Amino acid sequence: GAGVSQSPSNKVTEKGKDVELRCDPISGHTALYWYRQSLGQGLEFLIYFQGNSAPDKSGLPSDRFSAERTGGSVSTLTIQRTQQEDSAVYLCASMRAGVQETQYFGPGTRLLVL
Amino acid sequence: DAKTTQPTSMDCAEGRAANLPCNHSTISGNEYVYWYRQIHSQGPQYIIHGLKNNETNEMASLIITEDRKSSTLILPHATLRDTAVYYCIVRVALSGNQFYFGTGTSLTVIP
Repeated sequence: GAGVSQSPSNKVTEKGKDVELRCDPISGHTALYWYRQSLGQGLEFLIYFQGNSAPDKSGLPSDRFSAERTGGSVSTLTIQRTQQEDSAVYLCASMRAGVQETQYFGPGTRLLVL
Repeated sequence: DAKTTQPTSMDCAEGRAANLPCNHSTISGNEYVYWYRQIHSQGPQYIIHGLKNNETNEMASLIITEDRKSSTLILPHATLRDTAVYYCIVRVALSGNQFYFGTGTSLTVIP
């Protein structure tokens, strides 16, 4: 596909369970970003990848959150022992590094922790 | 932290130009001004960006003041589908820095 895709589109889980969210960036985009957005709020930066490495993890809210990227492509955001406050839309964006840098966003994964 | 200040909300009549202001008084010489928008329940969408000169594309125009301390995004003929939250961001290109989205301006286009 031409755009960034994310899966699942919706996820309902019980408090305490682990979840994995997937992001497929645009082919050739070396940079990948994860954000989350709570209802009615702005975007909160979580983590940034350049290739497979994550030079900026400053936004991860706790050690329950982790992310990896393999092959410079697909990325997985894992939330362990989910809490109700983790409920949000998790957005992924990819970008081709260069002077004319623009992020392209996926549709997001809507996570609800009961 | 976002380095920009935007009004919380604005209204615009359908068919009229929507002018969305953004203050970025602490912008550095190598920081670009980016505009994105987010339509309800969708991911943000890139609109336009610029460094010093005014820019225009098929979606909008970006006017940057000579001192670069503020800018205006212009939607020349607003439609109902332009109702969205508009984010103004300043960022150094090639830096690997994140994009700080702030809270943006909620634009409502009125029929």
